[in-house]
Amino acid sequence: GIQVEQSPPDLILQEGANSTLRCNFSDSVNNLQWFHQNPWGQLINLFYIPSGTKQNGRLSATTVATERYSLLYISSSQTTDSGVYFCAGGRGSQGNLIFGKGTKLSVKP
Amino acid sequence: GAGVSQSPRYKVAKRGQDVALRCDPISGHVSLFWYQQALGQGPEFLTYFQNEAQLDKSGLPSDRFFAERPEGSVSTLKIQRTQQEDSAVYLCATVAGELFFGEGSRLTVL
Repeated sequence: GIQVEQSPPDLILQEGANSTLRCNFSDSVNNLQWFHQNPWGQLINLFYIPSGTKQNGRLSATTVATERYSLLYISSSQTTDSGVYFCAGGRGSQGNLIFGKGTKLSVKP
Repeated sequence: GAGVSQSPRYKVAKRGQDVALRCDPISGHVSLFWYQQALGQGPEFLTYFQNEAQLDKSGLPSDRFFAERPEGSVSTLKIQRTQQEDSAVYLCATVAGELFFGEGSRLTVL
């Protein structure tokens, strides 16, 4: 099956810093999504991005489908950005996704 | 409803007990998914419904796990004869392009 590798596994930032999270796939996917899981466990969808670039406020994502990777950029980080960021991909039904192990982000004031 | 609603939020069961976890999806969303998230891991796919039809149950870890969605709306995930390794957060999600997750049901089996 598809393997999803995320890096780095842990990241500590000072408030205001920028960061890049990476997600590599072992095989091509036609459905790729980024999620943020807050400290209370709620998973929020950030981007549906099987290819190309999208931006939403301080967050943006780029997927290079031909090279099987995706990047999530966080600019001017805030303490509320803390939590775990997951990427997930798949080829079947829209919601049958393989998740990576996540990047745990801690933003310090 | 406005979002995916799950109940109970927390469940403690003794080993061997049966449990039932409920999911109320976003109104009008025909596709519904169940995921299992172990501590420190990403969610793992369990099963998928389109309306009342269970189209994929390849992720169910054993025949103790059973899911249903008889009227194509509310879904129930049932775990029979719970074991300690069943302890996890069980997440329900619906899809409209992107996945929308509920808050999850945290199951602890003692």
